[in-house]
Amino acid sequence: DAKTTQPTSMDCAEGRAANLPCNHSTISGNEYVYWYRQIHSQGPQYIIHGLKNNETNEMASLIITEDRKSSTLILPHATLRDTAVYYCIVRVWGTDKLIFGTGTRLQVFP
Amino acid sequence: NAGVMQNPRHLVRRRGQEARLRCSPMKGHSHVYWYRQLPEEGLKFMVYLQKENIIDESGMPKERFSAEFPKEGPSILRIQQVVRGDSAAYFCASSPPSAGGGYGYTFGSGTRLTVV
Repeated sequence: DAKTTQPTSMDCAEGRAANLPCNHSTISGNEYVYWYRQIHSQGPQYIIHGLKNNETNEMASLIITEDRKSSTLILPHATLRDTAVYYCIVRVWGTDKLIFGTGTRLQVFP
Repeated sequence: NAGVMQNPRHLVRRRGQEARLRCSPMKGHSHVYWYRQLPEEGLKFMVYLQKENIIDESGMPKERFSAEFPKEGPSILRIQQVVRGDSAAYFCASSPPSAGGGYGYTFGSGTRLTVV
């Protein structure tokens, strides 16, 4: 079973920041937090991952709380093409598989 | 540098036939993962393979499903005697050898299997 909980859906106005929360209260010390998204029925797309520190790349920023029990994915300037299901995943230590939950369906509107 | 290649993109099979889904990982990636996504549902892990080895098949149905990743050639997911409930999107992902969990996967575009 997935070790994360996310809101089922969120809306965001185009051009505004989209902040997607994720709870992972049982995360272990060496487990990473990954974010993927799936646009329509395409293959999932990697966005970003982190362990303890906040991370930023060309797509998004990842803010991880100090106790690591939750995180937030930030899309700084959402566009219509960012409409997708966003998955927050904790990587199970000692294995290589990713376990997907139900994700957050983000709808960006004009 | 091509991404993960899956073929065919769409596959239609009659009940009782066999379905073969192929996945070529990214260059330099030696790990392959198969996932299934039923309509309106999330992705479910099926199997994790390295070259010539099945590492984790905890998500594979006990019957009719098998997977291989030979020394040469693509990974194959094989479904024998397909039933309507097998209709789904099947995604393959690949990754380089893990060094502690810091590497992400790259997914293919999937194969949509329809059983009629």
